Amino acid sequence: GEQVEQLPSILRVQEGSSASINCTYENSASNYFPWYKQEPGENPKLIIDIRSNMERKQTQGLIVLLDKKAKRFSLHITDTQPGDSAMYFCAASYSNSGTYQRFGTGTKLQVVP
Amino acid sequence: GALVYQYPRRTICKSGTSMRMECQAVGFQATSVAWYRQSPQKTFELIALSTVNSAIKYEQNFTQEKFPISHPNLSFSSMTVLNAYLEDRGLYLCGARDWGSSYEQYFGPGTRLTVL
Repeated sequence: GEQVEQLPSILRVQEGSSASINCTYENSASNYFPWYKQEPGENPKLIIDIRSNMERKQTQGLIVLLDKKAKRFSLHITDTQPGDSAMYFCAASYSNSGTYQRFGTGTKLQVVP
Repeated sequence: GALVYQYPRRTICKSGTSMRMECQAVGFQATSVAWYRQSPQKTFELIALSTVNSAIKYEQNFTQEKFPISHPNLSFSSMTVLNAYLEDRGLYLCGARDWGSSYEQYFGPGTRLTVL
């Protein structure tokens, strides 16, 4: 299987608090895990990614963790702001003669004042 | 740098007609191109994966008869939505892999299809 599960589907947090989104994947051959942010009416933008040779990556208020054994990866947004409100998608990349990504089902993040 | 262009950005077609969309890779060699569709309020579904000099692989819910794809060289791919209906509306993305990269895909801005 190559499904990517993503939870929660909706996440509502107070401004200034942290938000966490979790994804699991099935194919142990996956080697690249990007996260995308999509604003209404826009196309998705890559915000952070992690490769399979890493367990943790941090940049500008974003932290991604990867547990290859459990086939699980997560995005943590620290000190959330209203501008962080958007849809977030995780993805797992597969390389099998070509490269493609399986996307998670998406999380709608709402940051309330 | 590596860039991917898609054309058109937005398009409207009548139900039952066909729509062709293009994907252009600039600054790298796109050895494989994956096409995705995001239906309204949904996630991105893989339609097919096209690799130069290999057969195009379609996902279970998509067929060549409905979404024919052309990938004639390392910089260009096109896909047509034949006989479009309401359920075909959405954002169509192409993602191209760089010959020199084993990880990232570079995505185009997408073609947003509206079906009347």
